[in-house]
Amino acid sequence: DTGVSQNPRHKITKRGQNVTFRCDPISEHNRLYWYRQTLGQGPEFLTYFQNEAQLEKSRLLSDRFSAERPKGSFSTLEIQRTEQGDSAMYLCASSYSREQFFGPGTRLTVL
Amino acid sequence: QQPVQSPQAVILREGEDAVINCSSSKALYSVHWYRQKHGEAPVFLMILLKGGEQKGHEKISASFNEKKQQSSLYLTASQLSYSGTYFCGTPIQGAQKLVFGQGTRLTINP
Repeated sequence: DTGVSQNPRHKITKRGQNVTFRCDPISEHNRLYWYRQTLGQGPEFLTYFQNEAQLEKSRLLSDRFSAERPKGSFSTLEIQRTEQGDSAMYLCASSYSREQFFGPGTRLTVL
Repeated sequence: QQPVQSPQAVILREGEDAVINCSSSKALYSVHWYRQKHGEAPVFLMILLKGGEQKGHEKISASFNEKKQQSSLYLTASQLSYSGTYFCGTPIQGAQKLVFGQGTRLTINP
């Protein structure tokens, strides 16, 4: 068990570009979550999958954000037409029951 | 809706004790505690499910008072490795997502 992994760990992009992040959850974990964290704040929920079904999406999430988990294993989070306000740490977590285990995150910087 | 943590920051000497509180204006069904070091992912410490439940993890323990809608994290005989930001998270009723407090930054000095 290698834990939750995320790639890339860091991403620098120019405003207006699209970016995609990948999350590989702990094997056998059927639930996968995406959170966003800005400096000095706790993680903020973005979206949640149970197996391949996206069951919940934050109302704060704009239409520029989309997430998939096509085979119920890894997940991708895409941000289109990035804005400077999208700069943050994007965290993925997985769970089998109630406990959620976080990955190392992808730090996005939008210039 | 976001739980409130207090204090916002604590500075201790190694070996001293600390208490971090997490309270909510809404009913708490469970409380999840995490520790996050700078630039790293939040690390799961423990989850409390029942009113009045207490749990321990090394020299870190926690209590959960469902009626008072609050939880407290106790760190005894603190070690340098305990430094970091502690977050409490609570699920919204009927949902899987966690809503986190703003965090408590703990600094342990030798």
